Amino acid sequence: AQSVTQLDSHVSVSEGTPVLLRCNYSSSYSPSLFWYVQHPNKGLQLLLKYTSAATLVKGINGFEAEFKKSETSFHLTKPSAHMSDAAEYFCVVRNGGSQGNLIFGKGTKLSVKP
Amino acid sequence: NAGVTQTPKFQVLKTGQSMTLQCAQDMNHNSMYWYRQDPGMGLRLIYYSASEGTTDKGEVPNGYNVSRLNKREFSLRLESAAPSQTSVYFCASSPPGSVFYNSPLHFGNGTRLTVT
Repeated sequence: AQSVTQLDSHVSVSEGTPVLLRCNYSSSYSPSLFWYVQHPNKGLQLLLKYTSAATLVKGINGFEAEFKKSETSFHLTKPSAHMSDAAEYFCVVRNGGSQGNLIFGKGTKLSVKP
Repeated sequence: NAGVTQTPKFQVLKTGQSMTLQCAQDMNHNSMYWYRQDPGMGLRLIYYSASEGTTDKGEVPNGYNVSRLNKREFSLRLESAAPSQTSVYFCASSPPGSVFYNSPLHFGNGTRLTVT
């Protein structure tokens, strides 16, 4: 069965410093992985997705993630944080069973200090 | 370009009351979903509809019913609300075939429901 673990519930960085949000997955299939972002009082927006093409995936707003099969990880990074990046981030794995569901991590809240 | 529209945005119910959450999408998507979001829990699937005329239970269906009224609309009904159903509810949709493939979901802005 698929599962996803976000290793930090809260990450705080200073503006202009790098961002690292960690995600580990468990999957018996070749997984499809996604990162979504949720700004306060908004729905979720897709940042990027991995679907067995290039292992380094580039997303919107300067974010990228690297799929590492040996480490079962899909960490999200950004070289330089901006105040507008403050939000909650969700790592998601696709359930390859008949339900076709997405399994969401519990989220990482990113705070950006000026 | 409305995308996924949910109504209402906020609702307060008393225990035992019923209500229907409405969701409509204008992207001609086949699949629609209802999730609930609780602090520290991520999103959990309540029900989904792979296509018009079909619905299936998700991870947490108890206490809810759904109706796929047509291709655009997918409603969620609470017949007898309980405090445990206090949550933020999100509707989402995705393009054809994406139940089994890799298309992302498009989310509405949520309905914040409080049951007292």
